[in-house]
Amino acid sequence: GAGVSQSPRYKVAKRGRDVALRCDSISGHVTLYWYRQTLGQGSEVLTYSQSDAQRDKSGRPSGRFSAERPERSVSTLKIQRTEQGDSAVYLCASILRGTIYFGPGTRLLVL
Amino acid sequence: ELKVEQNPLFLSMQEGKNYTIYCNYSTTSDRLYWYRQDPGKSLESLFVLLSNGAVKQEGRLMASLDTKARLSTLHITAAVHDLSATYFCAVTRGETSGSRLTFGEGTQLTVNP
Repeated sequence: GAGVSQSPRYKVAKRGRDVALRCDSISGHVTLYWYRQTLGQGSEVLTYSQSDAQRDKSGRPSGRFSAERPERSVSTLKIQRTEQGDSAVYLCASILRGTIYFGPGTRLLVL
Repeated sequence: ELKVEQNPLFLSMQEGKNYTIYCNYSTTSDRLYWYRQDPGKSLESLFVLLSNGAVKQEGRLMASLDTKARLSTLHITAAVHDLSATYFCAVTRGETSGSRLTFGEGTQLTVNP
């Protein structure tokens, strides 16, 4: 395939609403990570999923973040009850044999 | 908890000059990565360093790793404007089926003509 892709590339959401961000990884890649990148705070891992798990456990910063794996090469990051502090770039990373492939990111703005 | 710190966070330099970006991490790690990110773009892999004493070079960039000091450096030689970007180091530790990265805060490099 052409690499890791993410959609949408830009998303504006009203505070309190739920959003879903999609990541299409490379066929055969087992593990997908979601990272959040904010200005001045760097990048932190949010959650991850592996091929045999349809739903992962949420990581930081709270249980509002979860990832689902509807298909082996697709991951959906769900953010519940968005807050203004969730405004950031969300990066999906796909891993195969220790090599990490990043998607282009989704820029989320919560108003 | 694994922590990664970079310095400086902001770097403005003249073309033709040399400079070094430092990356310290708090516990042992398996791999250290350097990434470049241009505004609005994703992370571009520059180097992967696997072992103590590893040194890799690509063009005007050279990365090294000292696992005993838990320190990696990214050295820029004779900087050019095209190197302006944000540089991140990241480390992984001990996960066999994935590679969870812990990132530094990033160094925003501006190379002035």
